Amino acid sequence: GAGVSQSPRYKVAKRGQDVALRCDPISGHVSLFWYQQALGQGPEFLTYFQNEAQLDKSGLPSDRFFAERPEGSVSTLKIQRTQQEDSAVYLCASSLRTGSNSPLHFGNGTRLTVT
Amino acid sequence: KNEVEQSPQNLTAQEGEFITINCSYSVGISALHWLQQHPGGGIVSLFMLSSGKKKHGRLIATINIQEKHSSLHITASHPRDSAVYICAVGGNQFYFGTGTSLTVIP
Repeated sequence: GAGVSQSPRYKVAKRGQDVALRCDPISGHVSLFWYQQALGQGPEFLTYFQNEAQLDKSGLPSDRFFAERPEGSVSTLKIQRTQQEDSAVYLCASSLRTGSNSPLHFGNGTRLTVT
Repeated sequence: KNEVEQSPQNLTAQEGEFITINCSYSVGISALHWLQQHPGGGIVSLFMLSSGKKKHGRLIATINIQEKHSSLHITASHPRDSAVYICAVGGNQFYFGTGTSLTVIP
């Protein structure tokens, strides 16, 4: 698979549960982004990695959200004590270089539903 | 926050019509991306541009850096063009528009 892969594709969680969402970027891509997309809205920035370094986490909505990319490849977005307002599609994107002058490649997203 | 504004929000066109989607932004950028998102599907990058104009098949994207404005044009529209088109700008942190939902009717 040459594209960005996200798993699971769908996740249903009961309120209060912890969830972990995985992103496998394209091999060799330096930049990795996580976005949250609510129904009918454009993606909202959550966090950005350059290799293993989390350079920007200003978009994470609360301290219940945590992201890591320990070896500079696969990334995990963890949400603790999920709430209904966390229901959204979580998108991962990667690009070969840093900055916006490099095409973005998106995964198909993980649709999280919190009941 | 309205770093990126797109218009129109929704657009319905007859097959064969020429379509224009607009994007205005308020932040400094290195490049602007036009993205396509199909229902239930992932997002595909259509264009990345930092100046001038790019063309790919029936799609044309233009950008005016001074006016902080970009347009996406679709010539001879087709029902398979029906999708949400999203404008994204920025540097390391991208700002996205809310998208333009296009429906092309046969």
